[in-house]
Amino acid sequence: ETGVTQSPTHLIKTRGQQVTLRCSSQSGHNTVSWYQQALGQGPQFIFQYYREEENGRGNFPPRFSGLQFPNYSSELNVNALELDDSALYLCASSRDRASYGYTFGSGTRLTVV
Amino acid sequence: GDSVTQMEGPVTLSEEAFLTINCTYTATGYPSLFWYVQYPGEGLQLLLKATKADDKGSNKGFEATYRKETTSFHLEKGSVQVSDSAVYFCALSVLRNTGNQFYFGTGTSLTVIP
Repeated sequence: ETGVTQSPTHLIKTRGQQVTLRCSSQSGHNTVSWYQQALGQGPQFIFQYYREEENGRGNFPPRFSGLQFPNYSSELNVNALELDDSALYLCASSRDRASYGYTFGSGTRLTVV
Repeated sequence: GDSVTQMEGPVTLSEEAFLTINCTYTATGYPSLFWYVQYPGEGLQLLLKATKADDKGSNKGFEATYRKETTSFHLEKGSVQVSDSAVYFCALSVLRNTGNQFYFGTGTSLTVIP
């Protein structure tokens, strides 16, 4: 079975721009969550999607939004980028919202200049 | 609010030494607790988990027991190897009215020297 794949691996954007990050879930997984990991910090929970609906959200502003598609792949969109948005963005998938079964991708490194 | 606090690193140990990485949590209700490991250049991997009080999670020689009375989930290994060098994250998940919530600690870097 394939794992979780994220694209792109690296990205540089300018402050004020918008960005879309993509994630393909592991085969058989219908739940996806996104995290922001600043350098030297632990991952911060952004939100979770289960069967195309948001199922939990962390303390992030509305300019962080997401989508989950019928094939359970997912997007994270960030509008009006700020310098502090520079981080590693991680996607994780699991089956049926099972928090203990999460498989993580290797992440997208976003740099905002 | 809900949170996880883990021992700050970095931690440097000699091979075959005993490892403890402390983790305490704050959460109402019945959180599930996890340890994740991140090897250099790789993504996060689930190391072990415990879903209720007094459960012991174990994997690859690592153990952690869910202690509700002390709100702790300390990670231990009796004899570390060089290959255990990595960053270890304690985490919890809890179901709230707004859905699932996840919290990670800041991570503890472990270096094992031969």
